[in-house]
Amino acid sequence: DTEVTQTPKHLVMGMTNKKSLKCEQHMGHRAMYWYKQKAKKPPELMFVYSYEKLSINESVPSRFSPECPNSSLLNLHLHALQPEDSALYLCASSPQGPTASQYFGPGTRLLVL
Amino acid sequence: AQSVTQLDSQVPVFEEAPVELRCNYSSSVSVYLFWYVQYPNQGLQLLLKYLSGSTLVKGINGFEAEFNKSQTSFHLRKPSVHISDTAEYFCAVTVDYKLSFGAGTTVTVRA
Repeated sequence: DTEVTQTPKHLVMGMTNKKSLKCEQHMGHRAMYWYKQKAKKPPELMFVYSYEKLSINESVPSRFSPECPNSSLLNLHLHALQPEDSALYLCASSPQGPTASQYFGPGTRLLVL
Repeated sequence: AQSVTQLDSQVPVFEEAPVELRCNYSSSVSVYLFWYVQYPNQGLQLLLKYLSGSTLVKGINGFEAEFNKSQTSFHLRKPSVHISDTAEYFCAVTVDYKLSFGAGTTVTVRA
C-alpha cells in the first residue's frame, strides 16, 4: 500500500466551527507532514511529526492544532478559522532521512465562510 | 538557505512535441533535488529525484532530468508530451525533513 488517504475531500466551515482533518498511511513511514496550498502556489509546510512527536512548527497560528495519535494517523484540528485559511490542505509521509521522498495525499479542500 | 527557482511560470506545448522545464538551485552544500507533478484537483506525485551518482535521472511517465552542478540546474524534459501531461510541475530541494518548492510551472498541452 503506497497510498496516503485524507478525509474529508471537501469541507465548508464557519468561523466559529470546530472541525478536524484526517490523514492515514500504512507504509511504515515515521515522518508525517501537513502543508497548506493556496491556488496557483506551491505547498507551504505547516508541521512535521517525527516518530509521533512534533518536530517542526512553521510558526503556524494556534487555531491550527496538529495531533499524531499513532504512527499511521495524523490529524489537524481546526478552530476559529478565518476566510484567508481557505486552501487545499495536503498531508504527506516519508521514511526518515534527508533523501527520503515524500508521498502526498489528495488533499482536503477547505472553505471558511 | 537552499532554494530553487523555476524559470518559466507557464509552458504551452503541442501534443507529441518535446518539453523542457527549467529549475535552478542555490546551495553551497550537497543537494537532494526532486520534481513533483500535481494534476488538476489532486495531490503531488513524485516524478523523479536526484540524490547522487549519475547526473541523468529517469522518472515515471517518460520524464527525465539532468543534474548540472556547474550550472546549478536540474531541468526536466520529456521528448513527446501527451494531453494527460497537462499539470503543475514543482521543482524542490530538501534539507533534513523540509521540502522547499519552486513557484511551479504550469504545462498546458494542446492537440
